[in-house]
Amino acid sequence: EAGVAQSPRYKIIEKRQSVAFWCNPISGHATLYWYQQILGQGPKLLIQFQNNGVVDDSQLPKDRFSAERLKGVDSTLKIQPAKLEDSAVYLCASSLFLGVDRYTEAFFGQGTRLTVV
Amino acid sequence: AQSVTQLGSHVSVSEGALVLLRCNYSSSVPPYLFWYVQYPNQGLQLLLKYTTGATLVKGINGFEAEFKKSETSFHLTKPSAHMSDAAEYFCAVSMMNRDDKIIFGKGTRLHILP
Repeated sequence: EAGVAQSPRYKIIEKRQSVAFWCNPISGHATLYWYQQILGQGPKLLIQFQNNGVVDDSQLPKDRFSAERLKGVDSTLKIQPAKLEDSAVYLCASSLFLGVDRYTEAFFGQGTRLTVV
Repeated sequence: AQSVTQLGSHVSVSEGALVLLRCNYSSSVPPYLFWYVQYPNQGLQLLLKYTTGATLVKGINGFEAEFKKSETSFHLTKPSAHMSDAAEYFCAVSMMNRDDKIIFGKGTRLHILP
């Protein structure tokens, strides 16, 4: 079974530029998460999708971050314009809904390391 | 709201010694609990999880964790550390229902001393 795919693995941009990250979850996984992991910290949830609908985006800085999952499969996360403090690893994860109140754990991609200079 | 506290951002143990990484959670109802491991420049890999049933959970690479409701703890242990265990470990909590999120602790970096 293929895992969660993310691209690119690394990205260096200047502040005020824009950047986009792509995620392809495990086939059949309806739930998709984007996490931000700043160096030395645990992952922080940015946005959670259930199919193509947003479940939780309370910690997404909506003035500069946006995310979409138009067909309920792949997802993109965009930052525009980037700030220095956006330097982090962006992790995508997916999980499978097994039935009422039952999910698999989250499976993570390898992440995209963003450096804003 | 749920939360996770990992005690000790860095833990050092000698090769062959017991590994103990501490995790306490806060939740109004019994949650699902997870331990993930992260190697350098990699994503997170599930070590083990507690959902329901037996409170002692065995995972990969010889790790295990015990859910103690009375102590709201889910500490991770391994009887004998190996050099390859050096990594960052994250405890996480979730209610695992349709709209619930997975909350991570800040992580504990495990150092193995030769």
